[in-house]
Amino acid sequence: EPEVTQTPSHQVTQMGQEVILRCVPISNHLYFYWYRQILGQKVEFLVSFYNNEISEKSEIFDDQFSVERPDGSNFTLKIRSTKLEDSAMYFCASRFLATNEKLFFGSGTQLSVL
Amino acid sequence: GESVGLHLPTLSVQEGDNSIINCAYSNSASDYFIWYKQESGKGPQFIIDIRSNMDKRQGQRVTVLLNKTVKHLSLQIAATQPGDSAVYFCAECLTGANSKLTFGKGITLSVRP
Repeated sequence: EPEVTQTPSHQVTQMGQEVILRCVPISNHLYFYWYRQILGQKVEFLVSFYNNEISEKSEIFDDQFSVERPDGSNFTLKIRSTKLEDSAMYFCASRFLATNEKLFFGSGTQLSVL
Repeated sequence: GESVGLHLPTLSVQEGDNSIINCAYSNSASDYFIWYKQESGKGPQFIIDIRSNMDKRQGQRVTVLLNKTVKHLSLQIAATQPGDSAVYFCAECLTGANSKLTFGKGITLSVRP
């Protein structure tokens, strides 16, 4: 079965540093998402992306966050100046259609901000 | 088997028993629902979905029940196996231009051998 791939699996950074989390969605999918999960908590929506623009973002997704689809395959999440509270597992997800189609998740990137 | 609400973090069942995991969703307009399974260190894995025009859907060893009147969703796992041990999340969606999933709180299913 096709899958969403994320790199790196673990990322350790110093507070204030920039990080870029990378994702390769499933090739024919059109809708892309980032979610995050703080340890022991539920999965939280960050942002959705379609047709090369953000379609919705949550309150968590402030000015320190940005997303980009730099080419036909990659989908990235950038955190400009990381804070301790950004430490979480970040999941990329994709789907082909917006309506009634299951969302496929990657295995996540564990971000640790020291 | 036992049924618990998602306000209780852990459900422990005997191998071979049936498990019932319950979820109360928040948006009465939601029209698509999914159950995900998450194993340690991995991303959510799709189990089964249901649309709001149905009240029951069966998969392999799993059944999802939807009660829109009380905004309740349940996942039934027949003959629970050790490999079913994981955290389970329900997610709801209002389909449209964006269709983001909103996840409920997870519950840990622990299968006793």
